Formats: sequence, structure tokens, C-alpha cells
Amino acid sequence: DVKVTQSSRYLVKRTGEKVFLECVQDMDHENMFWYRQDPGLGLRLIYFSYDVKMKEKGDIPEGYSVSREKKERFSLILESASTNQTSMYLCASSYPDRGGREQYFGPGTRLTVT
Amino acid sequence: KNQVEQSPQSLIILEGKNCTLQCNYTVSPFSNLRWYKQDTGRGPVSLTIMTFSENTKSNGRYTATLDADTKQSSLHITASQLSDSASYICVVRGNNRLAFGKGNQVVVIP
Repeated sequence: DVKVTQSSRYLVKRTGEKVFLECVQDMDHENMFWYRQDPGLGLRLIYFSYDVKMKEKGDIPEGYSVSREKKERFSLILESASTNQTSMYLCASSYPDRGGREQYFGPGTRLTVT
Repeated sequence: KNQVEQSPQSLIILEGKNCTLQCNYTVSPFSNLRWYKQDTGRGPVSLTIMTFSENTKSNGRYTATLDADTKQSSLHITASQLSDSASYICVVRGNNRLAFGKGNQVVVIP
């Protein structure tokens, strides 16, 4: 059974704080993804990674960065959190084949920036 | 304009009844289409994948159809159960990218 875990289910941070969201998968997947999900907007891709130390921008990378030092771990970083980054953040992983394979999602982190 | 449009945005159905969710897309060239189910407070889980040559595929009480000519897909839920209450997300792959619909919110009431 594939398991994708995220470090926190709920997080409250203040404007300007640096925020780290961690994601770990146990299926040896090459691909990992970070999305945010907002009411009325659906899932939007922030960043993805096809290999260790490799990253590519998604549709909405502004205000975010990522880190992938190990294959199983993909971190999303908010350098200076802002209120418009209040959202549900979902991590996913998959086998190679650039987006064609099923993505396995974590439970999500609901981030509130005050 | 969103490349994947889902309708209805939300619906309420009585337990035991059937319902059909629609997904229209403009993604081209088309590779595949996946339906995900997302329970409240959880990440999406894949229900089924449709490729160009497939018209119908079932997964238990869920049946997906695809008409690649009209670029439409539907997800039919038969004999709904309370556990079917969820958001159903249509995801279309094309040009090595994924396009996400905003989801159909289904509420099943007893």
C-alpha cells in the first residue's frame, strides 16, 4: 500500500514567517508534486520534481520554493508567508512517465497565515 | 479559460439513487482522463483511468464513460451510499501536463 505522509494536518503561522511543509513517500517513486487546493479553484500545481535535487515550476510557483535532497522526501518552503497563501496543501507522488501515472496523494496540510 | 469543466458543481442525492457527473475538456492532444474521489479532509484517490480507445470502464458502483470525439466524460454512481459523499475530480492529461477540473461536490443524504 502506497503511503504519502505530510508533516502536519493543520498549521497556523504568522505573516512573514518562514514555513516548511514536509512530504514523505514510501514507494520509491521518482516523481513528487506539491499542489494547493482552494475552494472554487481546484488543484493547482506549485512545483514538481522528477529526481533528487531536480525541480520544475508548476503553474503557480511564485512565493514558494522546494527542496528534494532525498528521493523519498519533498519539502515545500514559504520563504515569507502571506495571508494569500492560506490554503490546503497536497503532496503527491508517482512513478515516472511525466504525469501519466496515477498520483498518490497525502492527506493534506491546512495552512492558515494570520 | 479552464481546460477541464465539470458539472454540476454540487448536488445532493438520496441514498440508493443514481447520479451522473460530467466532465468536458478542451485538452489537446489527449492522452488520458482520470477520475479521482476526494473525501473530506483527505487527499484524492484514483477511481479510474480512461484512454483514447476506451469508452466505458467500471470500478464497483462507479462507471466512467469517455467520448473522445466530443471530448466528454461522465462518472455514473449507481445505488449511492453515504460513503459516496465526496468531491469527484476529473483530470485530463495532454502535452505531458495535467489539467484539473474544479470537482463535483456530491452529498448523499439518508
